[in-house]
Amino acid sequence: EVLLLESGGRLVQPGRSLRLSCEASGFPFSFYAMTWVRQAPGKGLEWVSAITGSGGDGSTYYADSVKGRFTISRDNSKNTLYLQMNSLRVEDTAIYYCAKEYQYDYFDYWGQGTLVTVSS
Amino acid sequence: QLVLTQSPSASASLGASVKLICTLSSEHTTYAIAWHQQRPEKGPRFLMKVNSDGSHTKGDGIPDRFSGSSSGAERCLTISSLQSEDEADYFCQTWGTGIRVFGGGTKLTVL
Repeated sequence: EVLLLESGGRLVQPGRSLRLSCEASGFPFSFYAMTWVRQAPGKGLEWVSAITGSGGDGSTYYADSVKGRFTISRDNSKNTLYLQMNSLRVEDTAIYYCAKEYQYDYFDYWGQGTLVTVSS
Repeated sequence: QLVLTQSPSASASLGASVKLICTLSSEHTTYAIAWHQQRPEKGPRFLMKVNSDGSHTKGDGIPDRFSGSSSGAERCLTISSLQSEDEADYFCQTWGTGIRVFGGGTKLTVL
């Protein structure tokens, strides 16, 4: 069974940093691209960032809204995906989901999400 | 620009069928898309991938009541024999090199 478990979300002040984690199990983690998606309160889904698997070249991709502030990474030895979020803004407030990509395309498994609240 | 357009809301009666539509931007009418379901207060769940020829691949455990189809730039999700548990938000999603895109979502109400 594929499981994705996010953690690290909490209340943080604007301008501060936060790192989210996503622990994966039930599939060969290193082989697959992984993605972060967020959902602001009462809003739709917004893709945030993606990272290729071992079959790719380690490339990372970002939505324009987070480029230069967020960094995606992975530790294949720990089956864990990360999202380092710097210079946080109020508009970054959202539930953050990690998701497994099927083959650099659609998301075939999702985590349950972790809530990030950016407020003074 | 790669864009997906969905109607904000839809409704249908218990036991009836409903078709939800996701429309690709005009330059991207050959793209495949994926449908995801999000029940209230839950995380999203992958339903199926729908190709431009209408063929579709479902996720684990998705009932036969859910099916996909295509017509031109439209990628469709049909839910038959509607149940109360189908009341949810439905998002379509597509992809390009270095980009992933969601539609705005359709809120389905089961009457």
